[in-house]
Amino acid sequence: AQTIHQWPVAEIKAVGSPLSLGCTIKGKSSPNLYWYWQATGGTLQQLFYSITVGQVESVVQLNLSASRPKDDQFILSTEKLLLSHSGFYLCAWSLDAEQFFGPGTRLTVL
Amino acid sequence: QQQVRQSPQSLTVWEGETAILNCSYEDSTFNYFPWYQQFPGEGPALLISIRSVSDKKEDGRFTIFFNKREKKLSLHITDSQPGDSATYFCAASDTNTGKLTFGDGTVLTVKP
Repeated sequence: AQTIHQWPVAEIKAVGSPLSLGCTIKGKSSPNLYWYWQATGGTLQQLFYSITVGQVESVVQLNLSASRPKDDQFILSTEKLLLSHSGFYLCAWSLDAEQFFGPGTRLTVL
Repeated sequence: QQQVRQSPQSLTVWEGETAILNCSYEDSTFNYFPWYQQFPGEGPALLISIRSVSDKKEDGRFTIFFNKREKKLSLHITDSQPGDSATYFCAASDTNTGKLTFGDGTVLTVKP
């Protein structure tokens, strides 16, 4: 069975500090991978997607970047956090139209 | 212009009643419509989905009714249970692009 793991579970960071969030998918070969951002009480906004290792497409520019160093790993990062980066970050995977979400990482920027 | 709209923003029903959540969309190229259920602090879980070639999809207590001409769909939850209390998101995509567009969600509360 496929599993999706996100790390860390939660993070509290200072404005201007760097950030790295991770996502790992097990049990599926060459999935499409996605990063979403969700404000508290808000909707989900797709940030990035990747269909293969080393290839990432940006959907929305939020001073964030993403990379896919391995088939089963997706990384979201920035060198300088903004207050507006606070929220819930979700990784998702798909093989066709259906997307399945991970447990998420809660980010608080102070 | 919001591509996917949901109504109502919040809905309260009694246990055993049918909850009806509405969704409409703008883009006629959308052909896949999933509904997600999200509990506080958790990632959304795929509940049920429909493709535009169908007008109805049923899975247990959950049914999607789809009207392609009017670009509207609805999720019916029959025999609602307190455990169904959650936020429900309607989403839409063109399967050629794979980009999912979400509505703002409906917060459902089921009172015992």
